[in-house]
Amino acid sequence: AQKVTQAQTEISVVEKEDVTLDCVYETRDTTYYLFWYKQPPSGELVFLIRRNSFDEQNEISGRYSWNFQKSTSSFNFTITASQVVDSAVYFCALGSSNTGKLIFGQGTTLQVKP
Amino acid sequence: NAGVTQTPKFRILKIGQSMTLQCAQDMNHNYMYWYRQDPGMGLKLIYYSVGAGITDKGEVPNGYNVSRSTTEDFPLRLELAAPSQTSVYFCASSYSRGAGGGTDTQYFGPGTRLTVL
Repeated sequence: AQKVTQAQTEISVVEKEDVTLDCVYETRDTTYYLFWYKQPPSGELVFLIRRNSFDEQNEISGRYSWNFQKSTSSFNFTITASQVVDSAVYFCALGSSNTGKLIFGQGTTLQVKP
Repeated sequence: NAGVTQTPKFRILKIGQSMTLQCAQDMNHNYMYWYRQDPGMGLKLIYYSVGAGITDKGEVPNGYNVSRSTTEDFPLRLELAAPSQTSVYFCASSYSRGAGGGTDTQYFGPGTRLTVL
């Protein structure tokens, strides 16, 4: 079975703190894809990153970084020097090339206080 | 380039009424999807389409119907609305080269907030 677990339901930090959002996945596929999406208070879903299962290199994009570890089936997302505008619900998702489906975690609500 | 558009943004239905949620994309994507998002939950796939004239069920298809007569449009029909269908509905699209919608980035519309009373 395919599953995505985001164990942190809500996280609250003060601006400029670093914060890591955890994502653990389960799959039997050898080829799969991992995604992160951001859902700000306005409600739309914004694509952040896509990573395939063969690429374990960490990625950094400005204040955002992602740590993919196949050994622990995790794809964690870190925001450095958080800002109030980072306040949102963040979803991790697992994509299967076998089923053609995208499975979402339940999301982590991040609140960044000034 | 408008991306994925959805109408309406909000709607209140009475139990037993029917309605169609509209979705259109102008990115020439072959795959399109409908998801629902219940409070505090992730998204669940209702239906998807791999191209005009082809649709298939997702995880939670009961109570819904879809059709795809063009590449651009993918309407979702609710028949006999029930309170359990109160949710936010998202349409998405992606360009997939045949490996399926789970491998390519899906781009989402702004959502339709539906309440059934």
